[in-house]
Amino acid sequence: EDKVVQSPLSLVVHEGDTVTLNCSYEVTNFRSLLWYKQEKKAPTFLFMLTSSGIEKKSGRLSSILDKKELFSILNITATQTGDSAVYLCAVGTQGAQKLVFGQGTRLTINP
Amino acid sequence: DAGVIQSPRHEVTEMGQEVTLRCKPISGHNSLFWYRQTMMRGLELLIYFNNNVPIDDSGMPEDRFSAKMPNASFSTLKIQPSEPRDSAVYFCASRVGQLYGYTFGSGTRLTVV
Repeated sequence: EDKVVQSPLSLVVHEGDTVTLNCSYEVTNFRSLLWYKQEKKAPTFLFMLTSSGIEKKSGRLSSILDKKELFSILNITATQTGDSAVYLCAVGTQGAQKLVFGQGTRLTINP
Repeated sequence: DAGVIQSPRHEVTEMGQEVTLRCKPISGHNSLFWYRQTMMRGLELLIYFNNNVPIDDSGMPEDRFSAKMPNASFSTLKIQPSEPRDSAVYFCASRVGQLYGYTFGSGTRLTVV
């Protein structure tokens, strides 16, 4: 059975800190790994990674995929209170259109 | 573009009643997904459609749940009869092709009392 595991499940830091969120996966026929941010409502798309070793960046957020070790990390530098959210990792497989989601990491940024 | 539109936003119903959740995907998106989110189980895929055809409904919990997509711009998820354990946020998402991430709707928060 395809599985996506995120760690930590919960993280509390101070504004300005840098955080690293982890996502490991065990799936058949990996195709892509996606990161989403969920605040109060719907998850919003952050990154899609398909190639190993290539960093995707958007402002203070960046992510990288290691297909050999089957994991990805999401880094957030100079955190702000607006970064507080649940961050979801999802994996898509070849042939199947569905995404398998991890449980999420609840990130809280304190001022 | 208005995004994926779900209705209602909130639904409170009594156990045993029928509940119908609605979704309008983004125009041009050919895949539609229904997910359920709870604190205990996270996001679980219930069913998805490709070009209006149900492809995988293995996540549908039991016969009380059914989903339809009569055309490319509308889908429903029905629960009959509803039970308290069905209480969750139900998300609809759509996308075009496998190279892109989903776009989620705002969800329907269902409470069955």
